[in-house]
Amino acid sequence: AQSVSQHNHHVILSEAASLELGCNYSYGGTVNLFWYVQYPGQHLQLLLKYFSGDPLVKGIKGFEAEFIKSKFSFNLRKPSVQWSDTAEYFCAVTLYGGSQGNLIFGKGTKLSVKP
Amino acid sequence: GAVVSQHPSWVICKSGTSVKIECRSLDFQATTMFWYRQFPKQSLMLMATSNEGSKATYEQGVEKDKFLINHASLTLSTLTVTSAHPEDSSFYICSVDRGLRGYTFGSGTRLTVV
Repeated sequence: AQSVSQHNHHVILSEAASLELGCNYSYGGTVNLFWYVQYPGQHLQLLLKYFSGDPLVKGIKGFEAEFIKSKFSFNLRKPSVQWSDTAEYFCAVTLYGGSQGNLIFGKGTKLSVKP
Repeated sequence: GAVVSQHPSWVICKSGTSVKIECRSLDFQATTMFWYRQFPKQSLMLMATSNEGSKATYEQGVEKDKFLINHASLTLSTLTVTSAHPEDSSFYICSVDRGLRGYTFGSGTRLTVV
């Protein structure tokens, strides 16, 4: 079965540190990839998405992610985190040509940024 | 402002009663909406795909007679948890497939069955 793996359950960083959250998926076909963020007490919001084209995708709030097809990865990065980035981050995949719209989520990575 | 409105945001009900949760797409005519369930410290799990004007598609293991979904218009899908039990206590979230704009989630409904 298709799945999405997020390697870190909880990441703790100091402000200004660089961030990279890992995401790998298991599916051999074409995929659409997403990163969502859920701030404490709020609903999920889309950070960025990859459908096609340039594998380096820039999202909101200074986040970016790189799709590496050969590694089945879509890692999220930010050069310098802020305290306000404290949230839970979810990687998700839809299978192109399969069950359209069926988002498969990773289990999430909680990011805590110390001021 | 929010483009997907989910109501109520929290509800407490007695065991054996039914609870209806609404998901409204405010700026997009959505033929497809999705219902997810989130257990503590776990990811969202898709429960069902709500299709406007037709029957919902349920994921394996989800009881269709317990979780009734109605998508009668392009802007509203409802999830009714029938004969709720404490194990149904969870966080339920809807989302709308807005095409290239991606998916937009409702703010979720915290259901507590006592």
